[in-house]
Amino acid sequence: QITLKESGPPLVKPTQTLTLTCTFSGFSLSTSEASVGWIRQSPTKALEWIAIIYGDDDKVYNPSLERRLTITKDTSRNQVVLTMTNMAPEDTGTFYCGRGLDHWGQGALVTVSS
Amino acid sequence: DVVLTQTPVSLSVTPGQPASISCKSSQSLLHGDGKTYLYWYLQKPGQPPQLLIYEVSTRLAGVPDRFSGSGSGTDFTLKISRVAAEDLGVYYCMQTVQLPLTFGGGTKVEIK
Repeated sequence: QITLKESGPPLVKPTQTLTLTCTFSGFSLSTSEASVGWIRQSPTKALEWIAIIYGDDDKVYNPSLERRLTITKDTSRNQVVLTMTNMAPEDTGTFYCGRGLDHWGQGALVTVSS
Repeated sequence: DVVLTQTPVSLSVTPGQPASISCKSSQSLLHGDGKTYLYWYLQKPGQPPQLLIYEVSTRLAGVPDRFSGSGSGTDFTLKISRVAAEDLGVYYCMQTVQLPLTFGGGTKVEIK
């Protein structure tokens, strides 16, 4: 059974850095075909793709967010970490991690407010 | 960026009746490898998006056959042959042929 769970702070202040961890089970991120990605959903329910990391450590970022993002993996711990710098109120939303494009975690709600 | 426009924005359907959702792309989603990378998701209330269909028309294992996808190039359609109560939620199309991956704005399906 494939499961993914996002964890991180529910509240961050403007200009702070957000660090989210995706802990997964039921698959391995050790082959080049495997991948874990992140998307987010705004309060108005719009979906935005953020980044993806492959088992061979190839990383692809949304160009509009790239300068603020870092995605890394810890294969031995079955975790993927996403960091997003310089958070702003418009970054408020629910962040989902997923295996490829076909399984998503329940999401982590992040509010950016002072 | 590839813009995906979904219509209608919402629809109310009687159980047992058909429903159809359109997704139009600003660019062709046909990749050089011959595949078309258009996906359909359903997000039920309080849940993450769940993949229904990939590459235009292939249902994920376990997805009821009342769901079907069709289309090519820039025009795509998701059809539900007989809507069931559990089909309520927001449907999104998504493309992966060009970075960044992008989603349509969503179609909210309500059950009468």
